[in-house]
Amino acid sequence: QVQLVQSGAEVKKPGASVQVSCKASGYTFTDYYIHWVRQAPGQGLEWMGWIYPNSGGTNYAQKFQGRVTMTWDTSISTAYMELTRLKSDDTAVYYCVRDWELNYWGQGTLVTVSS
Amino acid sequence: SSELTQDPAVSVALGQTVRITCQGDSLRSHYTNWNQQKPGQAPILVIYNKNNRPSGIPDRFSGSSSGNTVSLTITGAQAEDEADYYCHSRDSSGNHVLFGGGTKLTVL
Repeated sequence: QVQLVQSGAEVKKPGASVQVSCKASGYTFTDYYIHWVRQAPGQGLEWMGWIYPNSGGTNYAQKFQGRVTMTWDTSISTAYMELTRLKSDDTAVYYCVRDWELNYWGQGTLVTVSS
Repeated sequence: SSELTQDPAVSVALGQTVRITCQGDSLRSHYTNWNQQKPGQAPILVIYNKNNRPSGIPDRFSGSSSGNTVSLTITGAQAEDEADYYCHSRDSSGNHVLFGGGTKLTVL
């Protein structure tokens, strides 16, 4: 069965960077886009961007341009999302999600930004 | 437009039918999908490509569209359907995902 398993919770100080990993299983990793979506406490879902492991192509929401980098490692079927220059309002649960229908979600990774 | 608009909250009596709507110009060009999210859980997909249900989703969930408005209908709402529902689609470029603001469904 399709599974996306994310790395554990992180606590970071303002100005730091965070990298979240997403290990895929149960399907051919390079066949599907991986999207990253975040949800601040008590708020709605916010799309951050995608990566297509087949080509290495990426596309980021304008809000995160210059601060986010999405990468992948096909050998271990894992996608990564790095967010730099963290601010307190980056505190959120970050999800990796498969494909444009957003049909399979990781369990989420809580990133807390606090001094 | 680059926005999808949803009503913030909707309520339905147990066993009755409820419609949750999502409005946006890009919906005329791209399929809409619906996710359900319960407190403390990751979202799950309940409708994709306007009116398709993933395996395991009850047939009381259905989708429809008219112009720039798409709807998620729950026919015979159950207590376990109480959740937040988010529509999502692509923007006009087709390269980005747009989310609606979410609708909190209360089953009375």
